[in-house]
Formats: sequence, structure tokens, C-alpha cells
Amino acid sequence: KAGVTQTPRYLIKTRGQQVTLSCSPISGHRSVSWYQQTPGQGLQFLFEYFSETQRNKGNFPGRFSGRQFSNSRSEMNVSTLELGDSALYLCASRRGVTSTDTQYFGPGTRLTVL
Amino acid sequence: GQQVMQIPQYQHVQEGEDFTTYCNSSTTLSNIQWYKQRPGGHPVFLIQLVKSGEVKKQKRLTFQFGEAKKNSSLHITATQTTDVGTYFCAGLRDSNYQLIWGAGTKLIIKP
Repeated sequence: KAGVTQTPRYLIKTRGQQVTLSCSPISGHRSVSWYQQTPGQGLQFLFEYFSETQRNKGNFPGRFSGRQFSNSRSEMNVSTLELGDSALYLCASRRGVTSTDTQYFGPGTRLTVL
Repeated sequence: GQQVMQIPQYQHVQEGEDFTTYCNSSTTLSNIQWYKQRPGGHPVFLIQLVKSGEVKKQKRLTFQFGEAKKNSSLHITATQTTDVGTYFCAGLRDSNYQLIWGAGTKLIIKP
């Protein structure tokens, strides 16, 4: 079974631009979560989608948005990029949102904002 | 809001020494999960603990879930260079099954 895939793997943008990241979950998984990870930091939760609906949201500004499609694939968008948005963006999928569902992470998209 | 505190942030050990990381939640958790992230990699699921007082072992790794389901620990016996990485705990919130993540403990093996 293929794992979680994220595209692109690397991105370089300049301040003020916007960016869209894509995540394809494991087949059969309906939940997708997004995280931001900066050097030396833990995993900062962005949001989680399940069946095309946002279930949970972290404490990030409105410049960060996401969506999920009917095939469970998800995209994350960051508008008006700032230098501080440079980070590894990780996507994780899980089968559902019950107590026994564990998360499987993709390799991440490394975003550099210049 | 509900938080999961994880300590220590870093731990330096000589190869062969033991390592322990601790997680504490402000409220009761439905379960707790542990993940390992190797340098340059992404977090990988290790184990899930569900029952109060549960103890699970994976070779040299021992995981415990507290009786009150508010704290957990991961203990590695006789560390090896392959154990290097950051270990994260994540507690599952009862109300909406959202995972609340600890900040991670980075294990560094001294040469």
C-alpha cells in the first residue's frame, strides 16, 4: 500500500507570494491533518479535515487555509508569505477519527521564503 | 486549553546508557501515541497505549501509560546510535479525538 505523498517536496518563494501544497493520503484514509515544523520546534498543528470538512483548527492566522476533496486528497494554501513561514510542512493521514486511528506522515514539503 | 507537556527537551547520553522521556497532560486522555522522527525524516508511529496503567515493550523500548491516563513515559535501555532522533508523544483528546502533541525530546548520543 502506498504511503502518504506530498508535492512538491521543496519550494522556494519570496515574501508576499502565495503557495499551495498538496497531500495524497493512504488509500482508504479519510482524515488529513497538516502540521508546521520549524527547526528545533515541535509539531504545530494547523488543521484537520475529514470527509471534506474541517474538524479542528490550530492557532494560525487566516493566511493559512486548506481544503479536502471528495477523494480525500488535501491542499493547503498560504497567502502573503512571510519569512517566518519557512518551515517543513507535514501532512498526516489516518483512517478515521476514532480513538484507535493512528497517524501516518508524509515526507513533508520544505518551504523556504526569501 | 488542553496541553501535553513533554520533558526533557534534549537529552545527551553516552551510547549504552538509558534514556527516558516523559509526557504529562492537564486532562485525561483517551489514549497516547508515541512517534519517532529521525534527523531529516518525518515522524513515524511507534506505539499506542489505551488502557490505564498499560505497559508495552518493543525490544529495548518500554512505554507506560499512567493510572490516571494523564501521563506517559518512554524508556530506552542501553541506547544505540540507531536510537538518535526526536521522540514525540501525542495524546488523543476525548471530546473530539484530536491529537495533542508534546514538543518532543531530542535524543543525542555522545561520541
